[in-house]
Order: sequence, then C-alpha cells, then structure tokens
Amino acid sequence: EAQVTQNPRYLITVTGKKLTVTCSQNMNHEYMSWYRQDPGLGLRQIYYSMNVEVTDKGDVPEGYKVSRKEKRNFPLILESPSPNQTSLYFCASSLFGGEQFFGPGTRLTVL
Amino acid sequence: AQSVTQLDSQVPVFEEAPVELRCNYSSSVSVYLFWYVQYPNQGLQLLLKYLSGSTLVKGINGFEAEFNKSQTSFHLRKPSVHISDTAEYFCAVSESTGGFKTIFGAGTRLFVKA
Repeated sequence: EAQVTQNPRYLITVTGKKLTVTCSQNMNHEYMSWYRQDPGLGLRQIYYSMNVEVTDKGDVPEGYKVSRKEKRNFPLILESPSPNQTSLYFCASSLFGGEQFFGPGTRLTVL
Repeated sequence: AQSVTQLDSQVPVFEEAPVELRCNYSSSVSVYLFWYVQYPNQGLQLLLKYLSGSTLVKGINGFEAEFNKSQTSFHLRKPSVHISDTAEYFCAVSESTGGFKTIFGAGTRLFVKA
C-alpha cells in the first residue's frame, strides 16, 4: 500500500530534550516536506527536500533540522524543543508538481 | 512571495444546500493550485488540483473548483452537500518551477447541518 508513515504519533516531552520524528514514504517520491498545523494558522511549511541531500527552508524553520540521506526517509529533528513547538506535525511526499500525500500526523507536546 | 487567503474561517450550511469555499492567492510566478480536505483526527487528502489546461477542475466527492487567473482565485464548490462533508478544507499554492515551495491557507471549517 502506498503510504507515508510517521513515528511516533503522539509524543510528550520536556523543554530541551532532543527528539526526532521519523517520516518514511514508499512511493519513490523525490519531494518531501514537513508542516506544522496550528489552530487558525493552517499548515505552515517547516522544511522541504527536492531530492537526496537537497533540503531548503520553508516559512518556519527556526528550531528545526532535517536531513535527507535516503530518498524514502526525511526525519525532523528538534535539538532543543520549546513549548512554542507544541503542535501537530505532518510529513508529506509528492512527485514534482503533483499532489502531496500526507502522513497521519504527530501530535507533539513540549512541557 | 506567495500568499493564500481563505476568506471564510467557518461556513455553516444545511444538508443538500450548495456551498462555495473561497480562496484567493497572490504569487509572482506561475503556480499550481490545490484543495485538500481534513476530516477530524486525520491527515489531509487531495480533493482536486489545477496544474494547467481547463480552468474548471472536478474532484472527488462531487466537488469542483474554477481557476480564475485575472482574479487570482480558486473557489471550491459543491451543488449539494452531505453531512459527511463536514470537515476542514485547505487551499494550497505551489510554485510550478524551482523548489515547489507550498503555501497553505488557514483553512475553512465546513459544518453541514441536518
């Protein structure tokens, strides 16, 4: 089944404790992206990647890191999480110019 | 820079009535346009997309949208809604060249009443 998977689905952590949210797709898509969703703000793009070893900042990259060492994986790293990073996070993948396929979301709470 | 404005944050409507969810965008480059739907506690899924060609685009679940380049709009319509259409709808714009950066609108919550 074609899909985007994210882990974990739910995470509660404390300020400053490094964490990684994994994202994997099995559709051989070149393009992958991370978004955060906050009430009243819609989805805001954090980082995106056009291919292996090619990443670029979206609109809200501060406090986040990404890497794209393999085509199928695009992990999101929070080196020192803060409470303002409490949000719902989505990973997505697509072929260039096409629809994006979204993962199920990761709900992160930073205390 | 691109921007997307969804003109209504909430749209209540009775079942079987028509609905229009409005989306305006601005961009200095050519764009692709999308509408996504998010049902409660789920991820987003594509309703329809405009890449090129006919400006009237038909999607899933009876939805359609019309690309109006002069008014930079991409409004979503359905002639008769069902209770099951209750969800949040997002308009999105992607650059058609270069990095394919994507901007989403803030969303419109459609609430269909019996």
